Amino acid sequence: QKEVEQNSGPLSVPEGAIASLNCTYSDRGSQSFFWYRQYSGKSPELIMFIYSNGDKEDGRFTAQLNKASQYVSLLIRDSQPSDSATYLCAVYSSASKIIFGSGTRLSIRP
Amino acid sequence: GAVVSQHPSWVICKSGTSVKIECRSLDFQATTMFWYRQFPKQSLMLMATSNEGSKATYEQGVEKDKFLINHASLTLSTLTVTSAHPEDSSFYICSARDPRGRPTEQYFGPGTRLTVT
Repeated sequence: QKEVEQNSGPLSVPEGAIASLNCTYSDRGSQSFFWYRQYSGKSPELIMFIYSNGDKEDGRFTAQLNKASQYVSLLIRDSQPSDSATYLCAVYSSASKIIFGSGTRLSIRP
Repeated sequence: GAVVSQHPSWVICKSGTSVKIECRSLDFQATTMFWYRQFPKQSLMLMATSNEGSKATYEQGVEKDKFLINHASLTLSTLTVTSAHPEDSSFYICSARDPRGRPTEQYFGPGTRLTVT
């Protein structure tokens, strides 16, 4: 079992709709969770982090965390073509390392 | 936010040669830096953790004699790929931890694209 699992996609969403990205993790001792956006050929860019159960909103982005289910999600409202990228879920594990998922490719179609 | 730079941004080298990649924290002192490798359409894989003034800690499966890491100052860590081979061609990304912030906060460099011919 991978430590951080994501659906690789591609996930295609019409412009203006809500994109929903999901992630599960295996280490119950994990305390911090991150979503990074990565454009092709570029380094990852942190867009959200969440430490507590529940929802955290920042602009068009909402991160959701359920530690009991070991599940993290990212919602992108009013999706724009510029949101087309690979989204990496990452977890700060009990071994004090950030472990990345394999990423979900998101495509926003006009 | 904190800024991390890498140099070079891309490099092409011949098989058997060595290549050095630099990672610098520009506006903070990073006691800990991390080196990742990313193959096409795959995720970032942690190669090693670099601590200033001490030996790097390598992840399982990463050859420490092939990937030499030196963290000689609080703002600079270097990764040297020795005797590079085509299978070492990859995107190498460093990140740095700002000790003033949360331990979980890491700032990524822009990456170095290595192509070995």
